[in-house]
Formats: sequence, structure tokens, C-alpha cells
Amino acid sequence: EAGVAQSPRYKIIEKRQSVAFWCNPISGHATLYWYQQILGQGPKLLIQFQNNGVVDDSQLPKDRFSAERLKGVDSTLKIQPAKLEDSAVYLCASSPDSFAYEQYFGPGTRLTVT
Amino acid sequence: GQQVMQIPQYQHVQEGEDFTTYCNSSTTLSNIQWYKQRPGGHPVFLIQLVKSGEVKKQKRLTFQFGEAKKNSSLHITATQTTDVGTYFCAGRRADGLTFGKGTHLIIQP
Repeated sequence: EAGVAQSPRYKIIEKRQSVAFWCNPISGHATLYWYQQILGQGPKLLIQFQNNGVVDDSQLPKDRFSAERLKGVDSTLKIQPAKLEDSAVYLCASSPDSFAYEQYFGPGTRLTVT
Repeated sequence: GQQVMQIPQYQHVQEGEDFTTYCNSSTTLSNIQWYKQRPGGHPVFLIQLVKSGEVKKQKRLTFQFGEAKKNSSLHITATQTTDVGTYFCAGRRADGLTFGKGTHLIIQP
């Protein structure tokens, strides 16, 4: 079974630029998560999708971050414009459903904002 | 928001020694999950505990969920170099899953 795919693996941008990350979850997984993991800390949930609907985006900085999962399969996360404090690893995870299931994480995208 | 506290932040052990990390929540959890993240890697699911007082074992790893479902622990017996990494607990409440900051396990051969 293929795992969660993410691209790109690394991205370096200057502050105020835009960036987009892509995630393809495990086939059949209804729930998709985007996390931000700052160095030395645990993953922080940014947004959770159930199929193509948003379940939780309470910690998403909506003035600069946006995410979509239009067809209920793959997803994109965008930052516009980026700030220095956005430097982190952005992890995508999926699970069969939102409750009582483990999450399968992708390899992540390491973003450096200079 | 609600937090899940994890201690210690770092733990240095000699290979062969035991290791324990603790996870505490101020509110009752419906379940708790444990993940391991190797250096440079991504979190990998280890186990989920659901019942009050539950204890589960995976080879040298023992996981416990407190009677009040507010705390949990992971104990590794006789650590090996392959145990190196960061161990995260993640507590589930009605508002979702919250990760602790993790315990970084460093093993000296």
C-alpha cells in the first residue's frame, strides 16, 4: 500500500513570497490533516478535512494560509505571503476516518523562509 | 487552547538502561496515541490506548493509560540504539487530537 505522498520535499523562499504544498493521502482515507511542525516541537494541527469538507481550521492563520481538497482526494496548502516564522516542516497525514484511528504521516515539506 | 504536557523534554541514557516518558492532560481524554519520530523523519504511529487503566506492550515498550484518562506513560526496557528519536503522545478530546511537544531520547553507546 502506497503511503502519503507530499511534494516538494524542500522549499526555500524569501519573506513575502508565496508557496504551495501538495499532498496525496493513502487511497480510500476520508480524513486528511495538515500540520505545522516547528523544530523541536510537536505537530500543530492547521486544518482537518473529512472528504472535501473542512472539519477543523481553528488554528489556521487564515489571513495568509489557505487549503483545499476539492475532489476529496489530494490537497494543497498555500501560504501567501510567507513570514520568517513560517519556517517549519509541513506534514500531511491521513486516516480512514476522523475518530479512533491512527494517522499516517507523509515525509513532510521543509520550508525555509529567508 | 487545551494542552497536552509531556516530560521530560530530553532524556540521555546509556544503551541498555530503561527510559520513561510521561504525558499529562488537564482534561479527560477519550483516547491517547503514541508516535515515534526518528531524526529527519516523520511521526509513525505506535499505539492507541482507549480504556481507563489500560496497559499494552509491544516487545520492550510498555504503554499505560491512567485511571482518570488524563495521563499516560511510555516505558522502554533495555534501550537500544534503534530507539533513538522523539516520542510524542497525542491526546484526543472532542475538539480533536493534540500532540505533546515530545521527549527526545538520546542513547549513548
